Amino acid sequence: GAGVSQSPRYKVAKRGQDVALRCDPISGHVSLFWYQQALGQGPEFLTYFQNEAQLDKSGLPSDRFFAERPEGSVSTLKIQRTQQEDSAVYLCASRGGSSTDTQYFGPGTRLTVL
Amino acid sequence: GDSVTQMEGPVTLSEEAFLTINCTYTATGYPSLFWYVQYPGEGLQLLLKATKADDKGSNKGFEATYRKETTSFHLEKGSVQVSDSAVYFCALRASGGSYIPTFGRGTSLIVHP
Repeated sequence: GAGVSQSPRYKVAKRGQDVALRCDPISGHVSLFWYQQALGQGPEFLTYFQNEAQLDKSGLPSDRFFAERPEGSVSTLKIQRTQQEDSAVYLCASRGGSSTDTQYFGPGTRLTVL
Repeated sequence: GDSVTQMEGPVTLSEEAFLTINCTYTATGYPSLFWYVQYPGEGLQLLLKATKADDKGSNKGFEATYRKETTSFHLEKGSVQVSDSAVYFCALRASGGSYIPTFGRGTSLIVHP
């Protein structure tokens, strides 16, 4: 497709369940970012990939959060043993190269933990 | 640490009114500054940017000027349309090779016919 896609768009989980959120970046984009956006807040950085390498995971809030991009294209953000405070919109963005500032964002996955 | 402060919304205007959304920032050095827009149900889109002091970014009738002396990057549009209704995010990217943007909380704009 032409843009970044994310699935599912909405996810409801019971506390303690594991969830997996998928991001399909723009084809050929080297860089991929994950953000967490709480209600009424701006996006907060979680992690960054360059191709398959996870170069920065400093924003991951706990060891329950794990991200991977094994073939340098599709990425998955996994949250284990979900808690209510994990409820947020999870945004994925891709960027063509390090020389450009422009990140292209997906529509996000809204996660609600009950 | 770096931070971005935006005026609280919602901002409610009538069509053809003048728009200003205030944004101030705190950062060391010379950050790059951005405005993103998020239309309902869609992802964030880069609206405009400025990379050095006194630069003016502009796009789709929107403009913002990088003011180093007041650490501001206010978004303006002379005549808003109903289709401009969205959430607007101010952001900065620190100088020195950083790739991680810092976003403000967002300001919701509602334009009535």
